[in-house]
Amino acid sequence: KNEVEQSPQNLTAQEGEFITINCSYSVGISALHWLQQHPGGGIVSLFMLSSGKKKHGRLIATINIQEKHSSLHITASHPRDSAVYICAADYGGSQGNLIFGKGTKLSVKP
Amino acid sequence: DAGITQSPRYKITETGRQVTLMCHQTWSHSYMFWYRQDLGHGLRLIYYSAAADITDKGEVPDGYVVSRSKTENFPLTLESATRSQTSVYFCASSPTRTSGGTDTQYFGPGTRLTVL
Repeated sequence: KNEVEQSPQNLTAQEGEFITINCSYSVGISALHWLQQHPGGGIVSLFMLSSGKKKHGRLIATINIQEKHSSLHITASHPRDSAVYICAADYGGSQGNLIFGKGTKLSVKP
Repeated sequence: DAGITQSPRYKITETGRQVTLMCHQTWSHSYMFWYRQDLGHGLRLIYYSAAADITDKGEVPDGYVVSRSKTENFPLTLESATRSQTSVYFCASSPTRTSGGTDTQYFGPGTRLTVL
C-alpha cells in the first residue's frame, strides 16, 4: 500500500527559529505536494515538486528521489506560520490521486 | 466570485437522511475531487472527476454518490447518512498538466457535517 509518513507530528518553536518538517513515501512518485492548513481549516497548496528544490519567501521544499524523502523548511519562523503542514504524494496516473500524510502541527511562540 | 466554493459550510442532519454537499469552481479546471478529513487520518479521497460526466471512486466511496453534469459543479450526496460520515469534507479542483496528470490542487473552504 502506498503510504506517506510525516515527522514530527507536533512541533513547537520560538519565533525566529529554523524549522524542518519531514516527509517520506514508500514507492516512486510523480510529484510531492506540500500543503498548509490554517487554524481556521482552510487548505492552501504551498509547493508541488518532482525533483530538486523550490523556494517561496521563507519557505523551502526539497525532495530526494533516491531516498524517497522530502523536507519543508521555514526560515525565520513567525507566529503566523502556526498551522498544520501536510505532505501528499502523487503516485501518478491520470487522476492525480494524492495520498496524504497525517500532517505536522506547528506552533510558533512569540 | 472567482475560486472554489462549497455549500453549506456547516450542516447537521440525522441518521438516514439524504444530504447533498455542493462544490462550485470558476476556473474551468478539468479535475475535481472530494475528500474527507477525520482526526487520526490524513485527507482521504472519496470520489474524483477528470471531466464532465467522468467520475471514479477513490479510497472511501461507500455511502456516497457524485455527479458532474457541468464542468464547474461537483455535488456529493450522502444517500442515507450515518454517524460514521460525520467529518469535514473538502472539495478541490485542479487543471491538467500539459504533460498529463494533474497539477496543483485548489481547495474549497470545507463543509463540517455532523450526523446525529
